Amino acid sequence: GNSVTQMEGPVTLSEEAFLTINCTYTATGYPSLFWYVQYPGEGLQLLLKATKADDKGSNKGFEATYRKETTSFHLEKGSVQVSDSAVYFCALRTLLTQGGSEKLVFGKGTKLTVNP
Amino acid sequence: NAGVTQTPKFQVLKTGQSMTLQCAQDMNHEYMSWYRQDPGMGLRLIHYSVGAGITDQGEVPNGYNVSRSTTEDFPLRLLSAAPSQTSVYFCASSYRLAGHNEQFFGPGTRLTVL
Repeated sequence: GNSVTQMEGPVTLSEEAFLTINCTYTATGYPSLFWYVQYPGEGLQLLLKATKADDKGSNKGFEATYRKETTSFHLEKGSVQVSDSAVYFCALRTLLTQGGSEKLVFGKGTKLTVNP
Repeated sequence: NAGVTQTPKFQVLKTGQSMTLQCAQDMNHEYMSWYRQDPGMGLRLIHYSVGAGITDQGEVPNGYNVSRSTTEDFPLRLLSAAPSQTSVYFCASSYRLAGHNEQFFGPGTRLTVL
């Protein structure tokens, strides 16, 4: 079935360090891929998305490129800030069997802590 | 717009008690869903609805019921709570998923079953 695997956390970085959070997926067809972010005590927010191979999603200095050949969607940021401390979820959109509806399949999440 | 709202924020139940988690959205979204979030498990889909009067099961539906009498509301019912249902519950909504529409999440309900 469809699944998402992302790197185990937690990840601890100093401010201005480079961030990579790895995400790989298994899916039939060509799913849309997403990164969601969850700040402490809050719900999930969409950070960025890519809908086809070689697309690059970007937002708030974060980037991820949809790599079909390696089935990957790694999240990167060149210089992290303390305010980036959160849990990051990689997800793919997949079809449900009934009614042609779709659902999100999430990775387990990676907790990022950025120290000043 | 208030977006997706959930009540209560926190709840403690005893085993066997029943309760309803409320979810409402004011964006006229057709699609609504419930997820549970457990440590090391990510989010798992419980139930979903593609419109008023239509609901269906997700990955982990056992022990939960839902109904969708209006576009705005999608309550989740626990008929007889069990400790295994201790979790954080998120409601989400989007326009009818026929493309790549964003799902909007509520702030969550933290449920503890003793």
